Amino acid sequence: AQSVTQLDSQVPVFEEAPVELRCNYSSSVSVYLFWYVQYPNQGLQLLLKYLSGSTLVKGINGFEAEFNKSQTSFHLRKPSVHISDTAEYFCAVSDRGGGADGLTFGKGTHLIIQP
Amino acid sequence: DAGVIQSPRHEVTEMGQEVTLRCKPISGHNSLFWYRQTMMRGLELLIYFNNNVPIDDSGMPEDRFSAKMPNASFSTLKIQPSEPRDSAVYFCASTLAGGIYEQYFGPGTRLTVT
Repeated sequence: AQSVTQLDSQVPVFEEAPVELRCNYSSSVSVYLFWYVQYPNQGLQLLLKYLSGSTLVKGINGFEAEFNKSQTSFHLRKPSVHISDTAEYFCAVSDRGGGADGLTFGKGTHLIIQP
Repeated sequence: DAGVIQSPRHEVTEMGQEVTLRCKPISGHNSLFWYRQTMMRGLELLIYFNNNVPIDDSGMPEDRFSAKMPNASFSTLKIQPSEPRDSAVYFCASTLAGGIYEQYFGPGTRLTVT
């Protein structure tokens, strides 16, 4: 069975400051990892995904994430945040690519951008 | 493309009533997923279909929940009878099966059972 842990339920950050949202996973097989963003009253939107290859993955809106197999982590980072980044961020894992099978999500991290 | 369409967007019903949530996946997608989101449990996969066939319904909480996909462009999630603890946001997502593709989520249906 696979699981995802997002250690921080809320992360307050000042505008233009860097941010890191943490994600750890557990799985008995090779995994595919995803970060989704949910803006208020909307569905989830894919930010980025790691399937194979380079461990540093770049996504939309200036976000990036690094896959660390030894630490079973997939932390999300952005060097400078904007007010518009205020949202809920979900880390997810799949052992079969996330397409053919359902995703297992973390509990989410609420990113709060302070002016 | 209009994206994944869900209806209704909001549903308020009384305990014991039947509730039907609807989903239209993106045209051409052949995998469809139903998720439930609550504060306590986060996002949970309830059931998913590949080519209209239910593949894994182990996430369906009880027999009160049922899902169907009569054709490639329509799916329903039914709760009968509904209970207050079913109150949640229900999301439908679709993608192309057989590969490593992104799941596209609908806007969700916010269900309140009083």
